[in-house]
Amino acid sequence: EVQVVESGGGLVQPGGSLTLSCTASGFSVSAHYMTWVRQAPGKGLEWVSVLYDDGSAYYAESVKGRFTTSRDTSKNTLYLQMNSLRVEDTALFYCARVALNWPLDSWGQGTLVTVSS
Amino acid sequence: QSALTQPASVSGSPGQSITISCTGTYSDIGTFNLVSWYQQYPGKAPKLIIGEVSKRPSGVSHRFSGSKSGNTASLTISGLQAEDEGAYYCCSYAGSDTLVFGSGTKLSVL
Repeated sequence: EVQVVESGGGLVQPGGSLTLSCTASGFSVSAHYMTWVRQAPGKGLEWVSVLYDDGSAYYAESVKGRFTTSRDTSKNTLYLQMNSLRVEDTALFYCARVALNWPLDSWGQGTLVTVSS
Repeated sequence: QSALTQPASVSGSPGQSITISCTGTYSDIGTFNLVSWYQQYPGKAPKLIIGEVSKRPSGVSHRFSGSKSGNTASLTISGLQAEDEGAYYCCSYAGSDTLVFGSGTKLSVL
């Protein structure tokens, strides 16, 4: 069964850092595009980042230069390193697998990041 | 990249059909046939219901259908059921290795 499980969320002060993890089962993260999507409380979905199978990563303008997406193939895990966090980064962060031609076909339950002093 | 524009809310009675629009630009929906739709219940993760404008994943009801014309994509739900109540989001590839989501539509089944 294809599954992704996010972890690593928590409370962090503005300007702080946090790393989220997304552990996959039933498929290899290195063989698929993988993406991060976030949802602020009571708000809509916002695309954050994509990691291609070749290891290259791309970001939304709102996080570019502050967030870094990577993976560990030995752990079949995707990561989102978040630096210089802002109050407006507070959100539920989802990891999702990207299928051919870009539909996000498998989502985790999300991990909550709260940025507050 | 601005969010794609969706109506904030739509409603319908059981058995009726409703359509949710998703308006973008030439740079996203207008150029790429890479629009997907997601259903989200409160407190739950989004679920893919339509990919590549009109393709239904295995297990998704035939009552869901998608289409596109110009810079606007549409999701139609026929034979509305109480279980369809929730939020719906469109999403499009927007070029330059980016995705853009719609603003979201809350569907109420009266």
